[in-house]
Amino acid sequence: QQQVKQSPQSLIVQKGGISIINCAYENTAFDYFPWYQQFPGKGPALLIAIRPDVSEKKEGRFTISFNKSAKQFSLHIMDSQPGDSATYFCALGNAGNMLTFGGGTRLMVKP
Amino acid sequence: NAGVMQNPRHLVRRRGQEARLRCSPMKGHSHVYWYRQLPEEGLKFMVYLQKENIIDESGMPKERFSAEFPKEGPSILRIQQVVRGDSAAYFCASSPSGLREAQYFGPGTRLTVL
Repeated sequence: QQQVKQSPQSLIVQKGGISIINCAYENTAFDYFPWYQQFPGKGPALLIAIRPDVSEKKEGRFTISFNKSAKQFSLHIMDSQPGDSATYFCALGNAGNMLTFGGGTRLMVKP
Repeated sequence: NAGVMQNPRHLVRRRGQEARLRCSPMKGHSHVYWYRQLPEEGLKFMVYLQKENIIDESGMPKERFSAEFPKEGPSILRIQQVVRGDSAAYFCASSPSGLREAQYFGPGTRLTVL
């Protein structure tokens, strides 16, 4: 059973637009929610992360919105740029320390 | 400050051979994690190690796969008698203390089994 459902699988956004990627989970034992960015042929790079005691976290153009009751969290990329074109993964962490990853969203930002 | 280092970056093996993948964590990090990524898929947890200890190997196949993180030297993921289905990208990540904190990933080793 898939522990985290990420959507959409792919996303095309115009330069300057807002990219929104969503993740939903079932198990409330998770208490750490990072987002990773991966370029082709590279390892995932930590972008931003949130814990369930806050509902929103912003770092530059990247914002995580977290809805604990709905068990959903999302990544918003404001003023999207062609250099943001990559695959984005949400992940879930818990006391066991391993991360459970979503299936990924391939973002393309058109100039 | 060097990041997580993995080598080799690319590894080609024939069916039945052994594959050894190495990971050197970031300086000051004593927790290492191995993940596998199949093409067009997310990463799947394999094993979590601290120095000289395997903490969680629940994601690692019971046969042919083993991992170690010795007191000195890099962490090693070893795959014996490789099969075509082992072809994937294998990523190592590290963290300072392992308490629900950021994991930093290496560039990965891309294993191809012919």
